[in-house]
Amino acid sequence: DQQVKQNSPSLSVQEGRISILNCDYTNSMFDYFLWYKKYPAEGPTFLISISSIKDKNEDGRFTVFLNKSAKHLSLHIVPSQPGDSAVYFCAAVSGGYNKLIFGAGTRLAVHP
Amino acid sequence: ETGVTQTPRHLVMGMTNKKSLKCEQHLGHNAMYWYKQSAKKPLELMFVYNFKEQTENNSVPSRFSPECPNSSHLFLHLHTLQPEDSALYLCASSQDGGNYGYTFGSGTRLTVV
Repeated sequence: DQQVKQNSPSLSVQEGRISILNCDYTNSMFDYFLWYKKYPAEGPTFLISISSIKDKNEDGRFTVFLNKSAKHLSLHIVPSQPGDSAVYFCAAVSGGYNKLIFGAGTRLAVHP
Repeated sequence: ETGVTQTPRHLVMGMTNKKSLKCEQHLGHNAMYWYKQSAKKPLELMFVYNFKEQTENNSVPSRFSPECPNSSHLFLHLHTLQPEDSALYLCASSQDGGNYGYTFGSGTRLTVV
């Protein structure tokens, strides 16, 4: 049973527009959420995170929104750039224990 | 040398072979992890080591055997694998008690024939 779900395996967006990547989770004990970005032939790299006590965190073009009642978070990229084309993983952790639970990833393609 | 380094980058092995994957981190972190990434599936946590001690074995078959001789090095010994074990094996490290930001290596692409 997957605790972190990314239901869209892929997303295609035009350059300059907004990219919205979604993630749902089932464990209400998760208290920290992270997004990772992965290029081919490289390991995932940390992008942005949010604590469960917040509903929004922004870093440049990247914003993560958390809706605890819906157990849903999303990553917004504005404006999208071709270099953003990658696989994006949502991850969650609970209780101060260093054990990240990942979703299956969403492949984002930003085309000119 | 910085970050998390994994060797080899690619490995092809037969089902009767024994091989080892190596991971080394130069970040001073005290926790290290092995993850498995199969196509279209979530990253699956395999093993967790905190201060060289294994704290998590996520129901991994015994044909995968981890070893952590010190907090900077992590190995994954492979023996009599199956074709379905073909995947990308990722090592990561973190500072326990930190902000949960893992640093990943580039992975070893394993093919079992």
